[in-house]
Amino acid sequence: AQRVTQPEKLLSVFKGAPVELKCNYSYSGSPELFWYVQYSRQRLQLLLRHISRESIKGFTADLNKGETSFHLKKPFAQEEDSAMYYCALRGDNAGGTSYGKLTFGQGTILTVHP
Amino acid sequence: NAGVMQNPRHLVRRRGQEARLRCSPMKGHSHVYWYRQLPEEGLKFMVYLQKENIIDESGMPKERFSAEFPKEGPSILRIQQVVRGDSAAYFCASSPTGYGYTFGSGTRLTVV
Repeated sequence: AQRVTQPEKLLSVFKGAPVELKCNYSYSGSPELFWYVQYSRQRLQLLLRHISRESIKGFTADLNKGETSFHLKKPFAQEEDSAMYYCALRGDNAGGTSYGKLTFGQGTILTVHP
Repeated sequence: NAGVMQNPRHLVRRRGQEARLRCSPMKGHSHVYWYRQLPEEGLKFMVYLQKENIIDESGMPKERFSAEFPKEGPSILRIQQVVRGDSAAYFCASSPTGYGYTFGSGTRLTVV
């Protein structure tokens, strides 16, 4: 079974402070990890994926297989970063039919105060 | 390209009625996924369809829920005899290949 855990339901920081949104996963194979963001009243959007190893809007995330974590980080938070963030996992579909299916964490609401 | 379109945005149904949620994928996308977000919970996979076929329905409740994606027209998620516990946001995502999702804005179902 695959599972994604985001231990913080709410996270508040001040503008300019570093922010880290935690994500831990459980999966026996080779997962693909994603971060999605949902701004107020907007649709869910892909923020970044671990295989592309890119930085989007100043956010980065590194897959740590030893700790089974994929934490999202930004050195200097901005007010416009306030949103709901979801960590998601896609399995490697070894022998299964779950092609493309994502398992989401419960989400973390990030609030950046001025 | 208008993106993934879901309608209605908000749907109110009385207990026992039927709810029909529609999802029009992006042009050229033949893979559709439905997810449900219950209050205070994350998104949970429900069903994965390709044109005219259900590929994975492991997340669908065994009764009252069904999904289709006909050759022509949108994908439909149908909930019969709705109960209060069905109140949730239902999201659809589409993909050309099964990877690289684009999500719709969701339908918020309220059962009264």
